[in-house]
Amino acid sequence: QSALTQPPSASGSPGQSVTISCTGTSSDVGGYNYVSWYQQHPGKAPKLMIYEVSKRPSGVPDRFSGSKSGNTASLTVSGLQAEDEADYYCSSYAGSNRGVFGTGTKVTVL
Amino acid sequence: EVQLVESGGGVVQPGGSLRLSCAASGFTFDDYAMHWVRQAPGKGLEWVSLISGDGGSTYYADSVKGRFTISRDNSKNSLYLQMNSLRTEDTALYYCAKEVLVLYYYYGMDVWGQGTTVTVSS
Repeated sequence: QSALTQPPSASGSPGQSVTISCTGTSSDVGGYNYVSWYQQHPGKAPKLMIYEVSKRPSGVPDRFSGSKSGNTASLTVSGLQAEDEADYYCSSYAGSNRGVFGTGTKVTVL
Repeated sequence: EVQLVESGGGVVQPGGSLRLSCAASGFTFDDYAMHWVRQAPGKGLEWVSLISGDGGSTYYADSVKGRFTISRDNSKNSLYLQMNSLRTEDTALYYCAKEVLVLYYYYGMDVWGQGTTVTVSS
């Protein structure tokens, strides 16, 4: 199972929006609404930001939103803040009882 | 407080074995599927394995199938990963993580431990 494809980097100024893509195939992202997104700060464990494509766990700001179209899922961070600077990973069910993560995107707040 | 604490990591030679543990607290452990996820130094996340809440169903990434075994002891609120025939490419920080929804799999992982480091080297 190959990793889902994410851009290596993305950036924006404080207050702006940034959108990260996560591209898979009809066998993973496109086939199921089981896409989740994680934020990871250096030296820390990942934190769930979005699950089931667009649902936010309690405590996650509504500045974070998720969507999916075809084989590509997206995470949008609106109103960028300094603390949003981190690595972001998508994940999906990949069929055959397996999970798969994306390659990761480093978000920089300029 | 909902918490996961991993232990058991260390340095092992290629071909060796190691057993990781994950102690859970603050939630009804047997209601939730549990995952192991690893991260090689400087690399991204890799899903390793999942076990259902009752322990009756287990699933593995192709990279570890036949070498790793996931298990759980719900009476002890504990998750395990038995790793055999270890390879240098298994070197990573290993996290245990809780499934976000009761009785479902692969929807997301909402609680993570701090990780335990496994180094496979001669």
